[in-house]
Amino acid sequence: GDSVTQMEGPVTLSEEAFLTINCTYTATGYPSLFWYVQYPGEGLQLLLKATKADDKGSNKGFEATYRKETTSFHLEKGSVQVSDSAVYFCALSSYSSASKIIFGSGTRLSIRP
Amino acid sequence: GAVVSQHPSWVICKSGTSVKIECRSLDFQATTMFWYRQFPKQSLMLMATSNEGSKATYEQGVEKDKFLINHASLTLSTLTVTSAHPEDSSFYICSAPIAAGVRGTDTQYFGPGTRLTVL
Repeated sequence: GDSVTQMEGPVTLSEEAFLTINCTYTATGYPSLFWYVQYPGEGLQLLLKATKADDKGSNKGFEATYRKETTSFHLEKGSVQVSDSAVYFCALSSYSSASKIIFGSGTRLSIRP
Repeated sequence: GAVVSQHPSWVICKSGTSVKIECRSLDFQATTMFWYRQFPKQSLMLMATSNEGSKATYEQGVEKDKFLINHASLTLSTLTVTSAHPEDSSFYICSAPIAAGVRGTDTQYFGPGTRLTVL
């Protein structure tokens, strides 16, 4: 079945460092790919998405490119801030899963001032 | 943007009792809603798909008699944890999609979650 694999955390970085969180997927058909973020004490929020190959999703300085050839959707940010500390989930949705969201295991990110 | 609410936000109950959690789409209609379970520091596990006017579809390994789902209207789905036990303690999250049309991708909106603690 469909699945998502993302790098395990926790990840700790200093402020203004470059961030990469790796994500790869397995799916039948052509899934849509997402990054969700869960800030401490809050609900899940959509950070960005890409719906077809070579699309780049971006939001709040974060970017991820849908790479069909490598089945990847790595999350990047050039300069992280303390406020980016949160748990990040890579996820997919495909027509074969009837719009269900399949989540990766989550990566906890902590940014030091 | 679209809003999904959950009630209650947290609940503590005694072992053996049943607990009902509501999920509402506040400004849109949802014929389908999804229920997830999240253990501490872990990912969201899809439990079931709630379908308005028909039976819910449960994921493999989820006990349908334990987790009763009722999609009473186009804006309300309820999850009832029956005869709760301490191992049912978890964070339960619902989501509802807004269809983007034939060529689009549904956008999922998540509720804030309900923390259940079973003593």
